[in-house]
Amino acid sequence: SQQGEEDPQALSIQEGENATMNCSYKTSINNLQWYRQNSGRGLVHLILIRSNEREKHSGRLRVTLDTSKKSSSLLITASRAADTASYFCATAISGTYKYIFGTGTRLKVLA
Amino acid sequence: GAVVSQHPSRVICKSGTSVKIECRSLDFQATTMFWYRQFPKQSLMLMATSNEGSKATYEQGVEKDKFLINHASLTLSTLTVTSAHPEDSSFYICSASEWGAGRLQETQYFGPGTRLLVL
Repeated sequence: SQQGEEDPQALSIQEGENATMNCSYKTSINNLQWYRQNSGRGLVHLILIRSNEREKHSGRLRVTLDTSKKSSSLLITASRAADTASYFCATAISGTYKYIFGTGTRLKVLA
Repeated sequence: GAVVSQHPSRVICKSGTSVKIECRSLDFQATTMFWYRQFPKQSLMLMATSNEGSKATYEQGVEKDKFLINHASLTLSTLTVTSAHPEDSSFYICSASEWGAGRLQETQYFGPGTRLLVL
């Protein structure tokens, strides 16, 4: 399977703490994107990082990409209860328009 | 940002019936849409790529006669689950990307999903 893997599978933290989740993938990519999914809902696009970029910020989000290790991390700083959701990475496979999703991390932020 | 809608949001049907799910891009033209399937507490699995005016491209292991995809216009793709069985019960999500600067843009916009329950 081409599917990427994320760890941890589940993460529970206190409000105000930082949350870090990691994504590893298997193929060459054009870019990597992170999405959030609230229970039973569609996906919300968070951030895109291209294969020639190493780090990107957006508000409380920080994403890194290491193409040599085929891995990416998503850091959410100063987490809030509203950040409780599942987070998925998705990789755009080089030469295609297709995206392969990681296994996801279920984040729970306790108030 | 771009908006993608899906209809219905949830559907319950009897085994053996067919169910049609619509995916619409509301404020942009989508030459390409994607259909995903998601089981509870699992990730999204790409089922097929829907191309306007041509046949869909199915991923390995996805039965094209079971999951019929039609992309008749630049804003609408439909997925029909034919002769549905309980194992087809799942969350089906579509996505679309905008076309700009001569190529398909990178960001995919997702619909809210359709929850299918086959009894």
